[in-house]
Amino acid sequence: QQQVKQSPQSLIVQKGGISIINCAYENTAFDYFPWYQQFPGKGPALLIAIRPDVSEKKEGRFTISFNKSAKQFSLHIMDSQPGDSATYFCAALDKLIFGTGTRLQVFP
Amino acid sequence: NAGVMQNPRHLVRRRGQEARLRCSPMKGHSHVYWYRQLPEEGLKFMVYLQKENIIDESGMPKERFSAEFPKEGPSILRIQQVVRGDSAAYFCASSPSGLRYGYTFGSGTRLTVV
Repeated sequence: QQQVKQSPQSLIVQKGGISIINCAYENTAFDYFPWYQQFPGKGPALLIAIRPDVSEKKEGRFTISFNKSAKQFSLHIMDSQPGDSATYFCAALDKLIFGTGTRLQVFP
Repeated sequence: NAGVMQNPRHLVRRRGQEARLRCSPMKGHSHVYWYRQLPEEGLKFMVYLQKENIIDESGMPKERFSAEFPKEGPSILRIQQVVRGDSAAYFCASSPSGLRYGYTFGSGTRLTVV
């Protein structure tokens, strides 16, 4: 009930490609879905977030797609850059529950 | 605005010692959350505090772990009689209001138990 399942565990993308990370949840009480980016040795930083009354949100190269009926949401990183190499966590509120993370590596 | 400050950044303790981790929330934030991150894993919620109150400690181990957020000073996460399994990164986040939006994380304290 309280889990957020994230996949893939790791992702390798070429520069300029699209990175896609998926998450699924079970608890329909969740009403806020943020994505966090974490660089080694740093704390997670909020990247982008969505509420379930919206199916898509875009901020620059980052887009969240949300499927309420399937209880799934995904992060798309367009035109991926080496500087995007980090670990990405999806999460869900009410109590901030994190997915297990995806380590993204973008090669030039 | 200095952000969420955690110290120390790195802490080494021998088995059986006590570890004290400190978190100073962002200015104007009165809600603090502690998370633990084991190597290659996501962050696990531990405890949510407001000034002088523990609101939700459902993620705290039943023994050896305690947290406080006094009226004055930083929030403290205290681990007594540490064991090797306590080795992890401990992150603190703060927000201006309760379990909703606007979380800001600190850079964490990396605890190593030898």
